[in-house]
Amino acid sequence: DIQMTQSPSSLSASVGDRVTITCRASQSISSYLNWYQQKPGKAPKLLIYAASSLQSGVPSRFSGSGSGTDFTLTISSLQPEDFATYYCQQSYSTPVTFGPGTKVDIK
Amino acid sequence: QVQLQESGPGLVKPSQTLSLTCTVSGGSISSGSYYWSWIRQPAGKGLEWIGRIYTSGSTNYNPSLKSRVTISVDTSKNQFSLKLSSVTAADTAVYYCARATLGVVILWGQGTLVTVSS
Repeated sequence: DIQMTQSPSSLSASVGDRVTITCRASQSISSYLNWYQQKPGKAPKLLIYAASSLQSGVPSRFSGSGSGTDFTLTISSLQPEDFATYYCQQSYSTPVTFGPGTKVDIK
Repeated sequence: QVQLQESGPGLVKPSQTLSLTCTVSGGSISSGSYYWSWIRQPAGKGLEWIGRIYTSGSTNYNPSLKSRVTISVDTSKNQFSLKLSSVTAADTAVYYCARATLGVVILWGQGTLVTVSS
């Protein structure tokens, strides 16, 4: 199985801050990396697919980059509705695996 | 607009079989090239991929659960199902059904909590 790690596991930030979350795969996954946002009691929501493609309807303040084993999700200017947990996921091979999540909360 | 809805018992006894159904509305389960998937999430924890069934009927399972999992599809009812046998408390989780394209999960159900307890 491909193991996914994320850092940090949690962070506190203020509205307007630039936030960066990193995700690392245990082996190369090319660009088969997706990012999801999950709010309490809700299903995850796709933000970024194929490492850097913005899902339709997702605000442009979200961006993704990376390839191979190292990836980042950046929120350029954190908004109140962005406080949530973020998961990376590899879709390079089965079993599909998710990172442990990064919780973004209010400073 | 396609929507997914999980249904099934919210409480299952240890050693029994967990059975959930996902009803697809607003579109045909047979159309398009999709992977109909199950993903679970224990309370306060991360997401675990259980497995998927392709439109053609082929399946992939998480090796960690493979011996206990069966995913099937009923095109006449526009549903797909999950069966997980020999459950323990460790199987207590919110179970999501989902639709994926090449592993990217674009559409999720709202999730259903299944508790394993006697």
